[in-house]
Amino acid sequence: EAGVAQSPRYKIIEKRQSVAFWCNPISGHATLYWYQQILGQGPKLLIQFQNNGVVDDSQLPKDRFSAERLKGVDSTLKIQPAKLEDSAVYLCASSLEPGQYSPLHFGNGTRLTVT
Amino acid sequence: KQEVTQIPAALSVPEGENLVLNCSFTDSAIYNLQWFRQDPGKGLTSLLLIQSSQREQTSGRLNASLDKSSGRSTLYIAASQPGDSATYLCAVRQYTGNQFYFGTGTSLTVIP
Repeated sequence: EAGVAQSPRYKIIEKRQSVAFWCNPISGHATLYWYQQILGQGPKLLIQFQNNGVVDDSQLPKDRFSAERLKGVDSTLKIQPAKLEDSAVYLCASSLEPGQYSPLHFGNGTRLTVT
Repeated sequence: KQEVTQIPAALSVPEGENLVLNCSFTDSAIYNLQWFRQDPGKGLTSLLLIQSSQREQTSGRLNASLDKSSGRSTLYIAASQPGDSATYLCAVRQYTGNQFYFGTGTSLTVIP
């Protein structure tokens, strides 16, 4: 089966610019997650979708971050305007319906550098 | 709120040694626990998933155990190889909210 696809792999922008990341989950996976991973730390959940509805966005900085999952398939995460502290790897992951048999699958991530 | 801790933060061993990585969590109301490997600049690769009703899972040289009541999991790596060098993360999946909570990882270096 094809894995979780993310693009771009790398992005360098200046502070106050905007940037967007794209994710296509594994086919049939209802749940999609966006994580932020700062160097040396574990991934931090930004937003969780179940189909095209938001389940949890409590840690998403909504003044600058937004995400959507149109038609319950692929998803876009946007940052506008970017700050220096947004430099991180942005990871997309997906899983089947909730339950103990459903592992989490990750894409390769997008490494964002804000200068 | 669930808190996941991994000890040690870094580990260096000579090739061929057996080793154990530790993961502890504070809330036992979990669906499962998953161990991942992360190579520099890459995403996370799933190694093993232990369901809440299971005690252990094995894949090749890897064996993961789960003790829900004490909030602990271990990842045992037998006969370590330089190719095992990576960061290993554990994550628990909560009943409530269906969220995954991650530890900060253990950075493993296997010296040839």
